[in-house]
Amino acid sequence: GAVVSQHPSWVICKSGTSVKIECRSLDFQATTMFWYRQFPKQSLMLMATSNEGSKATYEQGVEKDKFLINHASLTLSTLTVTSAHPEDSSFYICSAREVWGSNTEAFFGQGTRLTVV
Amino acid sequence: KQEVTQIPAALSVPEGENLVLNCSFTDSAIYNLQWFRQDPGKGLTSLLLIQSSQREQTSGRLNASLDKSSGRSTLYIAASQPGDSATYLCAVNYRNFNKFYFGSGTKLNVKP
Repeated sequence: GAVVSQHPSWVICKSGTSVKIECRSLDFQATTMFWYRQFPKQSLMLMATSNEGSKATYEQGVEKDKFLINHASLTLSTLTVTSAHPEDSSFYICSAREVWGSNTEAFFGQGTRLTVV
Repeated sequence: KQEVTQIPAALSVPEGENLVLNCSFTDSAIYNLQWFRQDPGKGLTSLLLIQSSQREQTSGRLNASLDKSSGRSTLYIAASQPGDSATYLCAVNYRNFNKFYFGSGTKLNVKP
């Protein structure tokens, strides 16, 4: 299947600083990528839909000024957590859709463990 | 509101057993459904994808079925192995909304 690469796999940052997470589709083009957040022992919650060349669509309750999303090319989307606080510590996962014919299949990155101290 | 429910939340079985994981969804107008595996602290690995027009898909020891009318999907794992221990997630895709709705997962432990 297609490969989605996420970087970094883990990061520790100080409270108040910003952290950027990258999501790349390595062998296919993705006009749409998705960012999820996963708290311990919980399932994935969609944060936002990242659209190439346009603004991201955020889910209800997600602060768009805090979680900045940029989808500058068909293979790269970035999520920047601005002015991070300890409550932002979580596991962030991106996904991208590969479209083949009338079918679509989602592939996920390996996730980024963010710890804010 | 689209909701996806997975039962059981946790399951522990001895090695070699066949087992069934369940996924139910409230809105039957799905586009497709995907089963994933997640190991602790890791991302998601896609296991099986079922299109809305299909009733089942098979890959090795895994078989996933889909019954749209009843809003259910099952993942059947044959001859379970300790390496199958992980959390299994199902996700429903409603194309009009262009996003996945995830269940809360079933944490599987296969004992040697």
